[in-house]
Amino acid sequence: GAVVSQHPSRVICKSGTSVKIECRSLDFQATTMFWYRQFPKQSLMLMATSNEGSKATYEQGVEKDKFLINHASLTLSTLTVTSAHPEDSSFYICSAREILGWSSYNEQFFGPGTRLTVL
Amino acid sequence: AQSVTQLDSQVPVFEEAPVELRCNYSSSVSVYLFWYVQYPNQGLQLLLKYLSGSTLVESINGFEAEFNKSQTSFHLRKPSVHISDTAEYFCAVSRMDSSYKLIFGSGTRLLVRP
Repeated sequence: GAVVSQHPSRVICKSGTSVKIECRSLDFQATTMFWYRQFPKQSLMLMATSNEGSKATYEQGVEKDKFLINHASLTLSTLTVTSAHPEDSSFYICSAREILGWSSYNEQFFGPGTRLTVL
Repeated sequence: AQSVTQLDSQVPVFEEAPVELRCNYSSSVSVYLFWYVQYPNQGLQLLLKYLSGSTLVESINGFEAEFNKSQTSFHLRKPSVHISDTAEYFCAVSRMDSSYKLIFGSGTRLLVRP
């Protein structure tokens, strides 16, 4: 099956610093990737949709200048949390959508997630 | 807009007992329906999906879900659970358009006891 990786799996940083999280589709090309945020014991909330070669589309309430998304290739999207604060501490999960021309629906495959802790 | 409701935040059940995890959705347009499972500190794994056709869909590990359009439900069932089924289960919907954004329910923690 399709595999999506995330790096790092866990990161601890000081308040005010920036953190970059990578999301890679390992064995397929993904023109669209999604970034989610999950607070403890809560559901996933979509932050933004990342399309290769174009600007990301952010959901309402998500600061695009704080959460920078870059989708430079068909297998890599990055999320950079700028000037991180303790309230940014969360579990960040990406997903990638494989494009199959014959399919009426193209499934999203999820990465294992990145645990961000801001001190 | 779409929304997904999972009324049960936690469902405790004994091993080998049957279980049903409830999911109701609201949408003004046609949607695809999904169940995902999440083990601790891991990402989501697709358990099963309904795209079209037969309203009863099954997974390889014994779970099944039935799409009921009139009741706007997509409940997940398993006739006999194992300890290893302990996890968080999320119901989700996606509009049948080019965005394919997933809208998740709040999740149900299935706790299987010996």
